Amino acid sequence: KNEVEQSPQNLTAQEGEFITINCSYSVGISALHWLQQHPGGGIVSLFMLSSGKKKHGRLIATINIQEKHSSLHITASHPRDSAVYICAARGDNTDKLIFGTGTRLQVFP
Amino acid sequence: EAQVTQNPRYLITVTGKKLTVTCSQNMNHEYMSWYRQDPGLGLRQIYYSMNVEVTDKGDVPEGYKVSRKEKRNFPLILESPSPNQTSLYFCASSLQGRLHEQYFGPGTRLTVT
Repeated sequence: KNEVEQSPQNLTAQEGEFITINCSYSVGISALHWLQQHPGGGIVSLFMLSSGKKKHGRLIATINIQEKHSSLHITASHPRDSAVYICAARGDNTDKLIFGTGTRLQVFP
Repeated sequence: EAQVTQNPRYLITVTGKKLTVTCSQNMNHEYMSWYRQDPGLGLRQIYYSMNVEVTDKGDVPEGYKVSRKEKRNFPLILESPSPNQTSLYFCASSLQGRLHEQYFGPGTRLTVT
């Protein structure tokens, strides 16, 4: 069993839909990262959080430390949101990152 | 412009021919890291560096070397590449390791025949 698991693996949506991507981890963490990988391969950091909730534009990330679970939400999804979304956990007292295998999102007009 | 650069972006080489992939950042970041990305396995950390002359192994360090002689540069060295090192490689940096978000380079697609 992977230490960081994401669901779903693949997700399709119509433009305007509310999207949720989930990330569960089995290790103690100091922070959790959400990354976006564009179809061209480039990776962008979306959020780094260790508690609560963060919002940037239409993207919202939440984390529940007790339940070892994080979610990434996209409101009013758009075709340009089509990408692979990756969560990564940074363990306690370590600078290593453990990555989930990603969620491929396709948003159709 | 703040960025992480990698060179080359694409490389096809043969087994056993030593190669170096360069990584440079212009943000005065202390932390730098190398990852490889393979289908079905996701991103995995190869090596990371907390600061100049400080490096440590990630999850898949076998077959790779790194050095951190200057703060801005963190080259990845494959002394004797093998086909199982065919992969997409990313360099990343952050201000101070675990406390800050990471900035990724554009990736280097390596094929070893």
